[in-house]
Amino acid sequence: DTAVSQTPKYLVTQMGNDKSIKCEQNLGHDTMYWYKQDSKKFLKIMFSYNNKELIINETVPNRFSPKSPDKAHLNLHINSLELGDSAVYFCASSPRDRGGNQPQHFGDGTRLSIL
Amino acid sequence: LAKTTQPISMDSYEGQEVNITCSHNNIATNDYITWYQQFPSQGPRFIIQGYKTKVTNEVASLFIPADRKSSTLSLPRVSLSDTAVYYCLVGDRFNNNDMRFGAGTRLTVKP
Repeated sequence: DTAVSQTPKYLVTQMGNDKSIKCEQNLGHDTMYWYKQDSKKFLKIMFSYNNKELIINETVPNRFSPKSPDKAHLNLHINSLELGDSAVYFCASSPRDRGGNQPQHFGDGTRLSIL
Repeated sequence: LAKTTQPISMDSYEGQEVNITCSHNNIATNDYITWYQQFPSQGPRFIIQGYKTKVTNEVASLFIPADRKSSTLSLPRVSLSDTAVYYCLVGDRFNNNDMRFGAGTRLTVKP
């Protein structure tokens, strides 16, 4: 009954590889997000997406790209992985009724380690 | 974007009331104040949200003074399981992309 689920929970890979992280939400929410939490525990938004609009944080390298096959899924593709990409990546979702700033529901994260 | 400032860490004992204050001096008219809780190896979890005065739910209370330049999260009678990082966020009610997580306050509850 997990509301926002991410797979895999752990991902260990080598520099230069391409990898994907999957996210699914069963809450019927309209908007989904990807966040990066670095070693200092700062949470930074990377993308927000609904079926009409993708908003990208300007600091995110174009090696990162969100893919949404449908409203309940927002996957994160990362090309040419670098050491600095090591972090925990969180997916989240929120409803979009009566405007924004709705509480977000987070998954439990994917810990990405680059060797 | 309204910036928030919170204490880096706080210690408390079981059964005590804990108050965590967040400063947001340049909060805008449309901004709401939201608090999240994060346990190790888990994603943040929504606790409470408010615009002004006082909001209370089954988990916490949120006190917001008239000038809205600060807010206080109040956790009644904490237990060991309340040990977590607490984040204060300020964001435009019409734009979720405006939300920014700060460093948070690491609360440690001791027996």
